[in-house]
Amino acid sequence: ETGVTQSPTHLIKTRGQQVTLRCSSQSGHNTVSWYQQALGQGPQFIFQYYREEENGRGNFPPRFSGLQFPNYSSELNVNALELDDSALYLCASSLGVDRSYEQYFGPGTRLTVT
Amino acid sequence: AQSVTQLDSHVSVSEGTPVLLRCNYSSSYSPSLFWYVQHPNKGLQLLLKYTSAATLVKGINGFEAEFKKSETSFHLTKPSAHMSDAAEYFCVGMDTGRRALTFGSGTRLQVQP
Repeated sequence: ETGVTQSPTHLIKTRGQQVTLRCSSQSGHNTVSWYQQALGQGPQFIFQYYREEENGRGNFPPRFSGLQFPNYSSELNVNALELDDSALYLCASSLGVDRSYEQYFGPGTRLTVT
Repeated sequence: AQSVTQLDSHVSVSEGTPVLLRCNYSSSYSPSLFWYVQHPNKGLQLLLKYTSAATLVKGINGFEAEFKKSETSFHLTKPSAHMSDAAEYFCVGMDTGRRALTFGSGTRLQVQP
């Protein structure tokens, strides 16, 4: 059974640029959630996707957007990057929205904005 | 929405001694609560979960947590710390409306030899 994978592992961008982060769900999992973890803090919920539709969103501006594909893989897109967007971005998959209490996390993508 | 508060940002214990990581929750209804562990450069791993079936929950690697409604607490314990337990631990609640996990600020556990 393949776990959750994320790419790239590290990324450096300049303020104002756009970035796309990718996530492959654990086999059979149709629900993907994205979290932002700033240094020294707990992860904060960005949004969740279920069957290619956004299924819930945290307190993040619209420049944070996402996609989920038919194979349940997912992307997180961030436009107009700001310095405060520097963080570890975590993807988590679960076996359906009713099993969101049991999420399996990837290792994360560390984004640095300069 | 449910929130959790971790009472200690750092805890240091000696190998072989008990571990206690404290967490309080606030919720107007029966909560779903979890403990996750994050080792450096590794993904978050679920240690244990409480979903109202039993107040004492046993998890992996010898950890357990007790749900105490009267104290609104969900503290994580282990009888004997091992060096490999050194990591960041998160107490986590469930925002059932958004089906999102809400994380505490974390407790860094150090284990001294």
